[in-house]
Amino acid sequence: DTAVSQTPKYLVTQMGNDKSIKCEQNLGHDTMYWYKQDSKKFLKIMFSYNNKELIINETVPNRFSPKSPDKAHLNLHINSLELGDSAVYFCASSQEDSSGGSSYNEQFFGPGTRLTVL
Amino acid sequence: RKEVEQDPGPFNVPEGATVAFNCTYSNSASQSFFWYRQDCRKEPKLLMSVYSSGNEDGRFTAQLNRASQYISLLIRDSKLSDSATYLCVVNGGYNFNKFYFGSGTKLNVKP
Repeated sequence: DTAVSQTPKYLVTQMGNDKSIKCEQNLGHDTMYWYKQDSKKFLKIMFSYNNKELIINETVPNRFSPKSPDKAHLNLHINSLELGDSAVYFCASSQEDSSGGSSYNEQFFGPGTRLTVL
Repeated sequence: RKEVEQDPGPFNVPEGATVAFNCTYSNSASQSFFWYRQDCRKEPKLLMSVYSSGNEDGRFTAQLNRASQYISLLIRDSKLSDSATYLCVVNGGYNFNKFYFGSGTKLNVKP
C-alpha cells in the first residue's frame, strides 16, 4: 500500500516532446512537492502546493507546469523537453503542523521518475 | 553560497567504527533540521529530526549548533546496512514550507 506513488518510474523521450509525470499520495497530507535531483545528486525544490494552492514556485522554466486537481494529486507537465531536463524527479508530501506550516514534519517521498531526454 | 553544504565524502569506514558528518547552513532564521538517508537509486527517507537540545535514536545522535549554524550526525557501531548517502535538510527560515537539501555525504561501511 504505497504512501506516495509516481508514474511512470522511467521515462525516455526525445527532445522537444511534451510529457507528464503523475503523483498521488494516500496519506491525507495537505502539502505536496516536486523536487529535481540532477546528476550531481542535488535535490532541489521546484514547486510546492498546499491544499491545491501553489505556495512555492522556484526559478523553474515555465515549460514546467504543475497541476493539482485535488490535495492528493500533484502532476507535473513538461513542454518542449530539453537535454538538461534529464534527471530524477521526486514527488513528496507532508502534513501541516498546528502553526500552519509543514516545516516540522517529515516529508514522504515517492520512488522517483527517472527522465532521460535524448 | 549554497543554503546547505556537506562534505560529499565518501567516508569509508570498517564495521563497528564511529563516524560523524557535519553540515552547515546559511540561513540563520531556519527553524527545522533533519537528516535523511538515501540509498542508491531510491528515494530519500527521514532518518531523524534534529532538535535544539540534540537527540539520539539508537546508534544515531544528532546535534544542532545554532551559533555556528551547523548540524552533525554521529553514527556509532557502524553496520554494513548503514552504507548510504546522508542528506542534511534545513527549512527556509520564514519561508517555512521550503526545504533545502545538501548534496549528501556518502558513507561506505566495509566488512
